[in-house]
This record gives sequence, structure tokens and C-alpha cells, in this order.
Amino acid sequence: AQRVTQPEKLLSVFKGAPVELKCNYSYSGSPELFWYVQYSRQRLQLLLRHISRESIKGFTADLNKGETSFHLKKPFAQEEDSAMYYCALTGSTGGFKTIFGAGTRLFVKA
Amino acid sequence: NAGVTQTPKFRVLKTGQSMTLLCAQDMNHEYMYWYRQDPGMGLRLIHYSVGEGTTAKGEVPDGYNVSRLKKQNFLLGLESAAPSQTSVYFCASSYPGLPRGEQFFGPGTRLTVL
Repeated sequence: AQRVTQPEKLLSVFKGAPVELKCNYSYSGSPELFWYVQYSRQRLQLLLRHISRESIKGFTADLNKGETSFHLKKPFAQEEDSAMYYCALTGSTGGFKTIFGAGTRLFVKA
Repeated sequence: NAGVTQTPKFRVLKTGQSMTLLCAQDMNHEYMYWYRQDPGMGLRLIHYSVGEGTTAKGEVPDGYNVSRLKKQNFLLGLESAAPSQTSVYFCASSYPGLPRGEQFFGPGTRLTVL
């Protein structure tokens, strides 16, 4: 079964601390993974995609096919990082179904 | 550009009533999607459209109908609302050439069915 699991509903860290939001997936083919973010009173927006191997707002995520994970990391959390984060998966064969995780709320304390 | 807009933002229905949610995008995107989000769950795909005049079922299509008569609009209809359809509904759009999972989202519509 295709599934995206974000094991933490809430993650609370202090400003300046490292943060890691976990994402594990189950997919039989070759997946494409994404992280979306939703700030308070804003719409869901793409944060980063694994195929770009980019760093956005200090966040990075590495696809680990062996562990079927795509954890989102930032070395020094900022208060403005507080938001809901969603991990999402699609297949690389061109289908239109995107599977979203349930989300993790990140709270960065001053 | 307004991007993806959704109308209405909030709505309360009684069981059995019908309504239509409107999604509009001004980015000339080919693909449009309707999702629902329930507490503690990720977004789930209801229906999607790959172009004007075409629609297809997603993961949870029962109880909903859709139409894409114009490229910029994607309508989601509830013919006879049920309490189980209480949810937040998100519309999204994208275009060929983008990875499928890369979509532009609307602000959401919060629907309550009593």
C-alpha cells in the first residue's frame, strides 16, 4: 500500500536548536518526495522537492531509499519556522495521485 | 495574479442540502485537483482534471461530482450533503512539465454539515 507517515503530530524546539521532521513512506515503485509548509493563515505551499536537492530557508531533505525516509532538517530553527509541515509522495511514472502525510506542527520557542 | 481562489471560504449545510464549491485559477494551468482534509489525516484526492472538459476520480470520490467546463474553473458539487463530508476542502492546480506532486493550492473552504 502507498503510504506517507509523519510520526510526530507536534514538534517543539527552542530557537537556535536543530530540528528534524520525520517522514517515512511506503511505495512499490520509484517515488518523488516533497515537503509542503503551511504558515498560520496562509495557504499550503511547496517547500522543497527531493529531485532538486536544494536548500530552502535553511531546510534540506535527503531521500533515503534504503530506509524509505525523507526527513526534513534544519540546523538552527527560527521562530518564523513555526508552521504545519506535510510530506507528500507521487510516483515517477506520471500518475496524478499525490499522497500526503498527516502533517507535523513545528513550534519554535523563543 | 490571484493564483488559486476558492469560493466560499466557509459554509454550513444541513444534511441533505446541496452545494457547489468553486475553484478558479488565473495561471492557465492544465491540471486541477480537489482534496479534502480531515483532522489527523493528510489531504486526500477527491477528483482531478487534466484539461477542460475532462475529469477523473481520485481516492475518495463518492458523494461528490465535478465539472471543468472552463479551463480556469473546477467545480466540486455535493448533491446531498452528509455529516461525513464535514471537512476542509482544498483546490490545487499545476501544469505539464512540473513534477506531479508540485501543485499550487487555494486557501481552502471549511464545510460543516449538520
